[in-house]
Amino acid sequence: DGGITQSPKYLFRKEGQNVTLSCEQNLNHDAMYWYRQDPGQGLRLIYYSQIVNDFQKGDIAEGYSVSREKKESFPLTVTSAQKNPTAFYLCASTSQLAANTGELFFGEGSRLTVL
Amino acid sequence: AQSVTQLDSQVPVFEEAPVELRCNYSSSVSVYLFWYVQYPNQGLQLLLKYLSGSTLVKGINGFEAEFNKSQTSFHLRKPSVHISDTAEYFCAVSESGGGADGLTFGKGTHLIIQP
Repeated sequence: DGGITQSPKYLFRKEGQNVTLSCEQNLNHDAMYWYRQDPGQGLRLIYYSQIVNDFQKGDIAEGYSVSREKKESFPLTVTSAQKNPTAFYLCASTSQLAANTGELFFGEGSRLTVL
Repeated sequence: AQSVTQLDSQVPVFEEAPVELRCNYSSSVSVYLFWYVQYPNQGLQLLLKYLSGSTLVKGINGFEAEFNKSQTSFHLRKPSVHISDTAEYFCAVSESGGGADGLTFGKGTHLIIQP
């Protein structure tokens, strides 16, 4: 079945370590997005990519990095520079048609906890 | 830039009672509006969307929403809730023609169904 797969679902890391969250989609979507979710804060945009080998910063990009080497994949690295990385991370994508409206399709999320 | 305000962070309702979750938006241009639902530790699922046409929009699971341009609102309603409707609900907006950079989300409303 087509969809968006995020892994791992749960991840623990020590302070000072970088960690990479995986996002893979087989929907043939062009655009992909990373959002961060904190309790009572809604979703905030970290990075997005509208095409392979190109990406843009969202509202809270500091301390994060991404790459888009393949259409299907958009991994997010949470670096040691991110001051408060404990959160629920959501990956989303959209087709070229749906992108005109902004409609997004979401993965199941990855919960990162810094010990 | 657009913004979304969900006026209630939590809404407790008895089972089989009606419910309304409020959403107001701010934008200087025409918008597209969305409601998403999130069950615990899962991604977001689209409930319904307003793109154009009829201001009353019907979605999945018996939910509906009404777009009111003069009041800049897009409230979500259900005439009779079920225990399975317990979840977090997010209102989101994108500006017409500018959807490629993602959606702007409200902070969410936690719907709590009491037996």
